[in-house]
Amino acid sequence: DAKTTQPNSMESNEEEPVHLPCNHSTISGTDYIHWYRQLPSQGPEYVIHGLTSNVNNRMASLAIAEDRKSSTLILHRATLRDAAVYYCILHYGGATNKLIFGTGTLLAVQP
Amino acid sequence: EPEVTQTPSHQVTQMGQEVILRCVPISNHLYFYWYRQILGQKVEFLVSFYNNEISEKSEIFDDQFSVERPDGSNFTLKIRSTKLEDSAMYFCASSGQGILKKLFFGSGTQLSVL
Repeated sequence: DAKTTQPNSMESNEEEPVHLPCNHSTISGTDYIHWYRQLPSQGPEYVIHGLTSNVNNRMASLAIAEDRKSSTLILHRATLRDAAVYYCILHYGGATNKLIFGTGTLLAVQP
Repeated sequence: EPEVTQTPSHQVTQMGQEVILRCVPISNHLYFYWYRQILGQKVEFLVSFYNNEISEKSEIFDDQFSVERPDGSNFTLKIRSTKLEDSAMYFCASSGQGILKKLFFGSGTQLSVL
């Protein structure tokens, strides 16, 4: 799987939007961009995924650059419960059925 | 929302002992996985299982490890002779059909090898 680069940590204030960046300059045309998060003492949790177009769901939005070499996970209004490690993962489901986790971004949310 | 259930939540064992970690995946899922996370480190892939056989495994998943789906609901990870370095949080996951393979993870079993 192609490599992703994320900042080690970010900080946000409660009730404010958070933009979590991910660079994936070696992405291939068939790679989907997945985001998972891991709350303290829990297993990873699916957040969102996309291929080319921006995506929205009840948890977050995913903005994908036109060249697909980067993406941004957007939490519209951060809550204390959003404090977690966020993982950006590229995955081509046809070749393999495993996800490879990197080190992710540790998001701290201040009240 | 359906969830993946893991038991026990904590397991303490002596080095050299066998342990079995248990998981109940989401009922209509077809793909099953084990991951582990050593304290302070990345979530690491161990093995994936589909159609009653291992489909992929990592270098970590050596002969000391085995997986089984003994019935229609359980999925187990066995470590035959535990080592100190096997101490970690072990996560089970499952996913349904389809290329996107959205994984659902359990809350994990914390294994401590003394």
